[in-house]
Amino acid sequence: EAQVTQNPRYLITVTGKKLTVTCSQNMNHEYMSWYRQDPGLGLRQIYYSMNVEVTDKGDVPEGYKVSRKEKRNFPLILESPSPNQTSLYFCASSLSRGGMNTEAFFGQGTRLTVV
Amino acid sequence: DAKTTQPNSMESNEEEPVHLPCNHSTISGTDYIHWYRQLPSQGPEYVIHGLTSNVNNRMASLAIAEDRKSSTLILHRATLRDAAVYYCILSASMNYGGSQGNLIFGKGTKLSVKP
Repeated sequence: EAQVTQNPRYLITVTGKKLTVTCSQNMNHEYMSWYRQDPGLGLRQIYYSMNVEVTDKGDVPEGYKVSRKEKRNFPLILESPSPNQTSLYFCASSLSRGGMNTEAFFGQGTRLTVV
Repeated sequence: DAKTTQPNSMESNEEEPVHLPCNHSTISGTDYIHWYRQLPSQGPEYVIHGLTSNVNNRMASLAIAEDRKSSTLILHRATLRDAAVYYCILSASMNYGGSQGNLIFGKGTKLSVKP
């Protein structure tokens, strides 16, 4: 079954404690991205990756890092989480970026709370 | 990225057709029109996309105006499961650099379906 898997689904952490949210897809997709969703602000893109070792900033990259060492994995790293990063996070993947081949598949989400 | 305008909310009765409008007056010739929906407590889900011609799939139909400045997502028979936020998004061809081609979500239309 084609899917994007995020882990963990729920996480409560303390300010400053480094954490990683994993994202994995089984569709051999080249394009992957991370979004955060906040009430009243909708879905905002954090980072995206067009292929292995190719990443770029989205609209709200501050406080986040990503890496793309393998095609299937695109972890989101919070080096020093702060309370304003409390949010619902979604990972997505698609065959390519833009145009006709952008049926994107989204993970189930990771609800992060930073206290 | 070209912007889209959607009504904040719409209501429908179960088993009746629903027409969800989207205005995109600044659309460029290479922008594809995508529709996604987000059910409560889930990640966004692909619905349909098109460029110039009307499109049909098992979930919905997409009617694109001749001048491409507007489009309508048609759910032929709404069910309670169709209650969701529907997003209309423009995405440029992957051959463009920068952030064009990324899926940039607006506020969407919240569809309520009454039994």
